[in-house]
Amino acid sequence: AQSVSQHNHHVILSEAASLELGCNYSYGGTVNLFWYVQYPGQHLQLLLKYFSGDPLVKGIKGFEAEFIKSKFSFNLRKPSVQWSDTAEYFCAVTTANNNDMRFGAGTRLTVKP
Amino acid sequence: DAGITQSPRHKVTETGTPVTLRCHQTENHRYMYWYRQDPGHGLRLIHYSYGVKDTDKGEVSDGYSVSRSKTEDFLLTLESATSSQTSVYFCAISQNPGQGAYEQYFGPGTRLTVT
Repeated sequence: AQSVSQHNHHVILSEAASLELGCNYSYGGTVNLFWYVQYPGQHLQLLLKYFSGDPLVKGIKGFEAEFIKSKFSFNLRKPSVQWSDTAEYFCAVTTANNNDMRFGAGTRLTVKP
Repeated sequence: DAGITQSPRHKVTETGTPVTLRCHQTENHRYMYWYRQDPGHGLRLIHYSYGVKDTDKGEVSDGYSVSRSKTEDFLLTLESATSSQTSVYFCAISQNPGQGAYEQYFGPGTRLTVT
């Protein structure tokens, strides 16, 4: 089965800093990739997704992610973070042939005002 | 936000008691899922359903059962709760992964504490 690794457990940034959160997956076939965000006390919300086509995908709130197939990576980026981006971020993957969405352990982002 | 509700939102129960969590959707989506969220593990799939009366096991199904008698409702049952089942439980829905609609939408969660 596929698995997902998020190497940064807790990231602390100041407002206006640039953000990059790493996500690597292990599966050799076709994958669908997602980033979800969970604000404190809330449910998960979809930030962006990649199914096919342009490997650079743009999501809500200024986030983007790049799928690099050769590196099995789908890193999340934002050029300038805001205090309101403080949340936990989850990378997830499904394969083309099953419904089993696997999540990474999550990265907690703290943005200092 | 997708029309997903979960009940109860919070529950404290004793070891050995049965517990049923309910997920209700108003989107008429075919697929429904139950996850548990634990620190350091992200979300892990417990069971999912791909139609009325059609269910399958996920990554961490031991100690849990599910039922889906109507499209809109998906029940998760802990037959005899244990302290290791203390967690936050999320329900999710999706349209039809087989037709490209892979994203899942999540409910507000149920915080379960087993003492």
